[in-house]
Amino acid sequence: GQNIDQPTEMTATEGAIVQINCTYQTSGFNGLFWYQQHAGEAPTFLSYNVLDGLEEKGRFSSFLSRSKGYSYLLLKELQMKDSASYLCAVKDSGGYQKVTFGTGTKLQVIP
Amino acid sequence: DTGVSQDPRHKITKRGQNVTFRCDPISEHNRLYWYRQTLGQGPEFLTYFQNEAQLEKSRLLSDRFSAERPKGSFSTLEIQRTEQGDSAMYLCASSSGLNQPQHFGDGTRLSIL
Repeated sequence: GQNIDQPTEMTATEGAIVQINCTYQTSGFNGLFWYQQHAGEAPTFLSYNVLDGLEEKGRFSSFLSRSKGYSYLLLKELQMKDSASYLCAVKDSGGYQKVTFGTGTKLQVIP
Repeated sequence: DTGVSQDPRHKITKRGQNVTFRCDPISEHNRLYWYRQTLGQGPEFLTYFQNEAQLEKSRLLSDRFSAERPKGSFSTLEIQRTEQGDSAMYLCASSSGLNQPQHFGDGTRLSIL
């Protein structure tokens, strides 16, 4: 099975940088996703890491260390619209590669 | 690409009634997933289809729940004899392959009176 931990809530200032951490313990690992979810809306895909290192995509970057069971999502130049929940999700290595989601980190961006 | 479509967006029903939700995945996606999400939680996996075959079911899916994908395109999720604890957002997602991200629909919010 999978056990995924991420902070419940974070607050950051508009224009700043914020790092959202995710740690996981898994019986098998084949990749980690980050999703953004605004209140009352569907999760939307942000990033996918399967190898160690940093993946950069515009203002968002995601890092993975498989040996440490650790990932983070880095958001730069924060905007008010970035206020949302950020979900860390781990993909299994067996069978059909089930994806297990964490409980999400609710980020509030303040002026 | 019109995205994943779910119907209805909201469903309010009395306890004990049966409800059915529909999901239309992105057209070229052969993998379809159902999740349930409650407030403050991440999506919880319910079941998975590859084409028309239902390959995995969560222990969360009691025998009151059934899902189908008869022609490998749209899918339905039925809940029989609904209970208060069934109140949640039911999300459908689809993907085009094992290493591809899942794309989510806007969900069906179920409220049991």
